[in-house]
Amino acid sequence: EPEVTQTPSHQVTQMGQEVILRCVPISNHLYFYWYRQILGQKVEFLVSFYNNEISEKSEIFDDQFSVERPDGSNFTLKIRSTKLEDSAMYFCASSEALLGGRTDTQYFGPGTRLTVL
Amino acid sequence: KQEVTQIPAALSVPEGENLVLNCSFTDSAIYNLQWFRQDPGKGLTSLLLIQSSQREQTSGRLNASLDKSSGRSTLYIAASQPGDSATYLCAVRRYGGSQGNLIFGKGTKLSVKP
Repeated sequence: EPEVTQTPSHQVTQMGQEVILRCVPISNHLYFYWYRQILGQKVEFLVSFYNNEISEKSEIFDDQFSVERPDGSNFTLKIRSTKLEDSAMYFCASSEALLGGRTDTQYFGPGTRLTVL
Repeated sequence: KQEVTQIPAALSVPEGENLVLNCSFTDSAIYNLQWFRQDPGKGLTSLLLIQSSQREQTSGRLNASLDKSSGRSTLYIAASQPGDSATYLCAVRRYGGSQGNLIFGKGTKLSVKP
């Protein structure tokens, strides 16, 4: 069964450094998302992406964050200058469509655990 | 602002028991509701998606119901097994404007004892 993959599984970085988290969505999916989960807290929406542009972003997704689909398969989240509070599990997700029915289902990757020291 | 609450926060049951997990949301203007399973340190596995026009969805031993007007959903697990032990999350997609972002509850941590 097709699945969303993410690399790396764990990233440790120093405060102020840039990180890029990578995702490969399911191949026929058109909508891509990033979420994060701080330890012990709820999963929070960051951004959605469709047709090579951001569809929606939350207030968490400030100027330090950016997303890109550099080629036909990868979807990346960049944090320009990491802060301690960026430490979290970051999940990528994708869905086939937003037309209703089962195609709305969002499929999540295994996550990247980001630790900022 | 949409808030999603899941009760109880944790539940421990003996193997074989049928159980119900609850999810409530404050704004009934939702597009759909999705139930997920999360294993420790792992990603989210989609279990069921219910459109706002539907009342329930079934998959194997799982049955999810939706009462949009009262802002409630339940996940029924029949004949629970130790392998069902995980955290169960519900998430709603709010209606209108958004491009699919999900609003999550904090989850119910289920432990099924052999």
